[in-house]
Amino acid sequence: DGGITQSPKYLFRKEGQNVTLSCEQNLNHDAMYWYRQDPGQGLRLIYYSQIVNDFQKGDIAEGYSVSREKKESFPLTVTSAQKNPTAFYLCASSREASYNEQFFGPGTRLTVL
Amino acid sequence: GQNIDQPTEMTATEGAIVQINCTYQTSGFNGLFWYQQHAGEAPTFLSYNVLDGLEEKGRFSSFLSRSKGYSYLLLKELQMKDSASYLCAVWRGGYQKVTFGIGTKLQVIP
Repeated sequence: DGGITQSPKYLFRKEGQNVTLSCEQNLNHDAMYWYRQDPGQGLRLIYYSQIVNDFQKGDIAEGYSVSREKKESFPLTVTSAQKNPTAFYLCASSREASYNEQFFGPGTRLTVL
Repeated sequence: GQNIDQPTEMTATEGAIVQINCTYQTSGFNGLFWYQQHAGEAPTFLSYNVLDGLEEKGRFSSFLSRSKGYSYLLLKELQMKDSASYLCAVWRGGYQKVTFGIGTKLQVIP
């Protein structure tokens, strides 16, 4: 079955630690995205990547970093510079820019203690 | 800026019909998506409107008026499993330009 996987489902970290969230897709999609979802707010774009070895900042990139070394993988690192990292993080992918239906992974709920 | 407005919460009765409205003001418009999201889960695609008018897909229909910056999602024959949040999202073109509304939390009651 094709799809997007994110792991783990729940993640706990101490304040000041960096943490990396994984995202893998086997849909052969070119584009991948990271969103953050907070209560009472819409999905906000953190980073996106159109092709391998290329990525762009979204609306709220500060305190985050990404890499796109393989088409299938787009990991997100939440650094200690992110002031309010506790949130639900969603990874998504889309086939092409001409029709941007996005397929979402199950999400990772990060709690920083 | 980009602005998408949806009601925060709605309640409807099992078997009834409910309409969830979405208004938008965005710089650029390529199409409008509706997604369903159950609590703690990923959003899943429901519909996509590019042209004005009504698109019907089973119990769900979506309407778009580009001149009014308005869309609605119509859910018929409501079932308890329809209790979820419904996200309106505007695609402004290109890979990155999808703006999501905050979502409408629908509760279906017996």
